[in-house]
Amino acid sequence: AQTVTQSQPEMSVQEAETVTLSCTYDTSENNYYLFWYKQPPSRQMILVIRQEAYKQQNATENRFSVNFQKAAKSFSLKISDSQLGDTAMYFCAFMKPRGTYKYIFGTGTRLKVLA
Amino acid sequence: DAGVIQSPRHEVTEMGQEVTLRCKPISGHNSLFWYRQTMMRGLELLIYFNNNVPIDDSGMPEDRFSAKMPNASFSTLKIQPSEPRDSAVYFCASSPGRYGNTIYFGEGSWLTVV
Repeated sequence: AQTVTQSQPEMSVQEAETVTLSCTYDTSENNYYLFWYKQPPSRQMILVIRQEAYKQQNATENRFSVNFQKAAKSFSLKISDSQLGDTAMYFCAFMKPRGTYKYIFGTGTRLKVLA
Repeated sequence: DAGVIQSPRHEVTEMGQEVTLRCKPISGHNSLFWYRQTMMRGLELLIYFNNNVPIDDSGMPEDRFSAKMPNASFSTLKIQPSEPRDSAVYFCASSPGRYGNTIYFGEGSWLTVV
């Protein structure tokens, strides 16, 4: 069965600095999708970025980028120029392929951006 | 376009009462998910519908929980009878359903059972 592991329960970063959140996953599949979702205190789940496993190029979305290492089954999120509004829980998610469209989430990393 | 709409946003109920949570997915999406979030267990997938048909309900905790999707624009999650351990945030999410497409979450329904 597929699993997603986020080994950092909590992190903090100074405003304007860069922080990297880690995520590893386990699967025997060759083709799949990976996602990072953000959950601010409002509890709304917001998509941050997604990566297609068959693409070697790392996805980038403004200040957010990923380091996708397929062989190592690693999918870390880098936040550059951290802002106070980035304070949130961040969830890594894996999409189970082959028709079920089932998403598997990690346990989350709580990120606090310090002024 | 409107996002996924859930109601109620907050509900406090007494143990033993029936609770019904409602969801309107994004128009045109044919996959719908119900998730439960607690501190102890994180985000758990309860049930997943595709084209209004339940595809995977292996996450439904017990017979007290039931979910329906009578049409493409409406789904309910019912708990009867409710228990304090059911207290959680319940999220509905929808997706276009094609492989790899992003799921979009509603704002969640905060349930407290006292």
